[in-house]
Parts: sequence; C-alpha cells; structure tokens
Amino acid sequence: QKEVEQNSGPLSVPEGAIASLNCTYSDRGSQSFFWYRQYSGKSPELIMFIYSNGDKEDGRFTAQLNKASQYVSLLIRDSQPSDSATYLCAVNFDRGSTLGRLYFGRGTQLTVWP
Amino acid sequence: SAVISQKPSRDICQRGTSLTIQCQVDSQVTMMFWYRQQPGQSLTLIATANQGSEATYESGFVIDKFPISRPNLTFSTLTVSNMSPEDSSIYLCSVDFQGGGYTFGSGTRLTVV
Repeated sequence: QKEVEQNSGPLSVPEGAIASLNCTYSDRGSQSFFWYRQYSGKSPELIMFIYSNGDKEDGRFTAQLNKASQYVSLLIRDSQPSDSATYLCAVNFDRGSTLGRLYFGRGTQLTVWP
Repeated sequence: SAVISQKPSRDICQRGTSLTIQCQVDSQVTMMFWYRQQPGQSLTLIATANQGSEATYESGFVIDKFPISRPNLTFSTLTVSNMSPEDSSIYLCSVDFQGGGYTFGSGTRLTVV
C-alpha cells in the first residue's frame, strides 16, 4: 500500500518564524523523498529532495528524514509571506525499480502573515 | 532540470468527447509521468509512459479511458476519452531529468460540460 499522509492544515505562522511541515509514509524501505510548493492555480514546483542516507539544507529550507518513524519533515526558517502556498510531500516507493514513480500526500496549506 | 511544454493549457469540452493533451520536453527522458489533480485535491498518478513500450497504469485507471502515446524520448500524449463531468481536473505531465528531481508541466485545466 502506497500511502503518503500529511496534515492538511492550514498552518499559520508569523513572518520570520519557523514553519514545520511533516509527512508520513507507509513503506519503511522507501529511499527518496520530495517536497514541492504549489501556489494556487500553478503547477507544483520542486523545493528539494533527499535520499534515505541523510538530511539536506538549502538556504532557508531543511528536509529531515526519520526512517525509524517513517516521516519526513520540511523546515522553513525566516518564513516570508511569499512562502504562503500548499506544500506537497511525495515519496518514491519503487525500490530496486527503474520506474521511479512519485506518490503524493494531500498537501499542507501554509499561511505566513506579516 | 528539463523544461516541459504542455498544451492545451485549458479546454472546455462536451461530455462524450475526447481530448488529447501533449507534453514536449526539451531533453531526452526515459520516463514520463501523467498525473491528475482534482479540485482541491493532491496529485494522483495516472500512468507512466516509457518510450517503446506500453504505458503502465495505476490502479483505477485504464488504457481505454486514458490512452497514452510515447513515440520518442521527448514527447508524450494523454487522451481523456468519452469524457464526463467527473473528468474535470488539471492534468499534468512530469519528468525526472538525470536525477535532478521531478519537474512538472504547466498543466491542462479541463472542464467537461
């Protein structure tokens, strides 16, 4: 069963705060994890992705993986109003396969207020 | 990352008709993925298109309803056949170019009346 779960929110944080978004997945052996941002009426935009071997930081964004608990998080530091969007978590469940399909959670709506 | 051109960007169609959506990539890619995003929902994978073989469909999606072509490594089409209002959605294609992460086309907003 390929399941990716996210709290749909909405999550509301003040400008300058840290926004924390979480996602759980059903397959313990999954090896790659993706975070997308989607503005209303637009297609998803890749923020970052990580593999099962470690976390990643890119500017104000940090993606962290907890394999034991099967969840992946995205931290947004110094949140800006322009970060207000829906954040989608996606997981590649195709271990050992070249298919590389991504399965998405429902997304978490984030609002950053000035 | 690869650049994807998708068209049409939107269309309004009569029920019972078919619409073909095109996806053109500026680089050669092995796999192309087709997704559907229903209003207020997340993305659901329809099928995976591999050049030179039949597309692989996800549970709940069938070839008769969503035939896919993949004639070369830069192009794919998805047809939504015999449409009903329940097919009203945004349809998106996606590719993963050289492991740099999956990018999406701009989407096709389909309304069936």
